[in-house]
Amino acid sequence: AQSVTQLDSQVPVFEEAPVELRCNYSSSVSVYLFWYVQYPNQGLQLLLKYLSGSTLVKGINGFEAEFNKSQTSFHLRKPSVHISDTAEYFCAVRMNRDDKIIFGKGTRLHILP
Amino acid sequence: EPEVTQTPSHQVTQMGQEVILRCVPISNHLYFYWYRQILGQKVEFLVSFYNNEISEKSEIFDDQFSVERPDGSNFTLKIRSTKLEDSAMYFCASSLSVQETQYFGPGTRLLVL
Repeated sequence: AQSVTQLDSQVPVFEEAPVELRCNYSSSVSVYLFWYVQYPNQGLQLLLKYLSGSTLVKGINGFEAEFNKSQTSFHLRKPSVHISDTAEYFCAVRMNRDDKIIFGKGTRLHILP
Repeated sequence: EPEVTQTPSHQVTQMGQEVILRCVPISNHLYFYWYRQILGQKVEFLVSFYNNEISEKSEIFDDQFSVERPDGSNFTLKIRSTKLEDSAMYFCASSLSVQETQYFGPGTRLLVL
């Protein structure tokens, strides 16, 4: 069965510092990988996705993620965070040809001034 | 940019009452989904819907739940007799095809008393 693990429930980071949000998944078949962001009182917005091809994926708002098949990871990174990046970030996986998305528990990113 | 909308944003109901949560998917999308997020827990898949029928459902989606596309624009989730444990944020999503990105609405926060 598929599962997604986000090891950090909360990550505090100073403004303009780099950040990495970790995500590991387990699946016996090939998957599509996603990062969604939920800003306060808003819905889920797609940040980026990996379907195939280059393992480094660039998304909106300066975020990027790298797919590492051997480590079954899809960590999210940003070189310099801004106060507006305060949100909850969800890693998610979908099996090829499957309907449903499996979400991780989320990581709350706190930006410190 | 087209977006998924959901109404109401908040709903409070008494245990045992029926509720209908409404969603307007993106207009040219063909696949529709409901997810829910109990406070402090993961976003969980409930059901997917295509061509006027359920294509996949989770164990959570029992006989108390039903979905419908009553006209060309709305997609509804009905809970026949709500329970306390149905309290959650309910997200609607839509996609152009099963392989395409799922776009999420802002959610309806349901509180069952």
